[in-house]
Amino acid sequence: EAQVTQNPRYLITVTGKKLTVTCSQNMNHEYMSWYRQDPGLGLRQIYYSMNVEVTDKGDVPEGYKVSRKEKRNFPLILESPSPNQTSLYFCASSSLTSSGANVLTFGAGSRLTVL
Amino acid sequence: DAKTTQPNSMESNEEEPVHLPCNHSTISGTDYIHWYRQLPSQGPEYVIHGLTSNVNNRMASLAIAEDRKSSTLILHRATLRDAAVYYCILRDPLNQAGTALIFGKGTTLSVSS
Repeated sequence: EAQVTQNPRYLITVTGKKLTVTCSQNMNHEYMSWYRQDPGLGLRQIYYSMNVEVTDKGDVPEGYKVSRKEKRNFPLILESPSPNQTSLYFCASSSLTSSGANVLTFGAGSRLTVL
Repeated sequence: DAKTTQPNSMESNEEEPVHLPCNHSTISGTDYIHWYRQLPSQGPEYVIHGLTSNVNNRMASLAIAEDRKSSTLILHRATLRDAAVYYCILRDPLNQAGTALIFGKGTTLSVSS
C-alpha cells in the first residue's frame, strides 16, 4: 500500500531534549515536506525537499532541522525543543511532474507535546 | 499561489448531495484547483483536482466555472464518513519551488443521520 509513515505518532518530551520524528514513503517520490498544524493557524510548511540532499526552508523553519540522505526518508529534527513547538506534525510526499496530478500524500500525523 | 475563499461551515443530511463552494478570483492560467479533506484525527487526504473541465472520480465531482474564478466540490450522497474539513487549494505545477500547499481554514462539513 502506498503510504507515508511517521513515527512516533505521539510523544511527550521536555524542553531541551533533542528528538527526531521520522518520515518514510514507499512511493519513490522526489518531493517531501513537513507541516505543522495549530488551532486557528491551519497547516504551515516547515521544510521541504525537492530530492536527495536538496532541502529548503518553508514558512516556519525556526527551531527545526531536516535531512534527506535517502529518497524515501525525511526526518524532522528538533535539536532543543521548546513548548511553542507543541503541535501536530504532518509529513507529506509527492512526485514532481509538470501535470497538475502531483498530489500530496500525507502521513497520519505526530502529536508532539513539549513540557 | 493565489488565495481561495470558502464558507467556514456547512451542514448536510446523510444521503443528500453536498455542494461545497470555493472562490478563487485571482487564479492564474496555470493554477490547478485541488481539493483535500481532513477527517478528524487524520492527515489531509487528496480528493480531486482539475484545471478547466469538470472532473469526476470515485470520491467526488469538481465543477469549475467557465471563467475559473470559482469551483464547487460535489459529494453526490453524503455519508457520516464525509464529515471533515474540506480545503480548496490552488497549485501551480510549473512552480515547483516550495510547492507548499497553502491551507486556509477550509469548510467544516457536518453530516447528520
